Amino acid sequence: NAGVTQTPKFQVLKTGQSMTLQCAQDMNHEYMSWYRQDPGMGLRLIHYSVGAGITDQGEVPNGYNVSRSTTEDFPLRLLSAAPSQTSVYFCASSYSGHANYGYTFGSGTRLTVV
Amino acid sequence: RKEVEQDPGPFNVPEGATVAFNCTYSNSASQSFFWYRQDCRKEPKLLMSVYSSGNEDGRFTAQLNRASQYISLLIRDSKLSDSATYLCVVNTGFQKLVFGTGTRLLVSP
Repeated sequence: NAGVTQTPKFQVLKTGQSMTLQCAQDMNHEYMSWYRQDPGMGLRLIHYSVGAGITDQGEVPNGYNVSRSTTEDFPLRLLSAAPSQTSVYFCASSYSGHANYGYTFGSGTRLTVV
Repeated sequence: RKEVEQDPGPFNVPEGATVAFNCTYSNSASQSFFWYRQDCRKEPKLLMSVYSSGNEDGRFTAQLNRASQYISLLIRDSKLSDSATYLCVVNTGFQKLVFGTGTRLLVSP
């Protein structure tokens, strides 16, 4: 049982480049989300989805797009990378949006924008 | 003011010690509360939920004081393997988890 799988684990981008961070889960979880973690800031919610075809913005959505065409996959797209997007990105999923079920996180993508 | 505040530490304790972490939250409408553990350069993992009546899981005890908007985590008989960052997490509404910046614990032999 793989849980939540994120790829790539590491990435270096040049300013202005675009890329997609992949996230897949095999637990049939309806709820998926993307967080970024920066030193001294805690994890901040970028976008989330409560099911296939439904997405919404979190706390820091600017510069990112998401889509949810299947229950399993929730990719995060950086449209035009900026140095301020240098961060560690975590994908998380949950049986339900209600957090009492607990979130399962992927192992993260470390992104550096130069 | 941050929505969830924690002392960043680090807390340096010897093996076998008891250590307590505190956390305060600002949104009085917050619905549920958690402690997550995060090892260095790893993803956060759910340690335990926190209930108003207090709850225990082995060496770990969590307490919630809604009136004071305060959450605590007590670790008894600390192990080397307890060294990690402990994240206080608050659900301020459906689908919105707010994470504290974490308290770092270092357990030494």
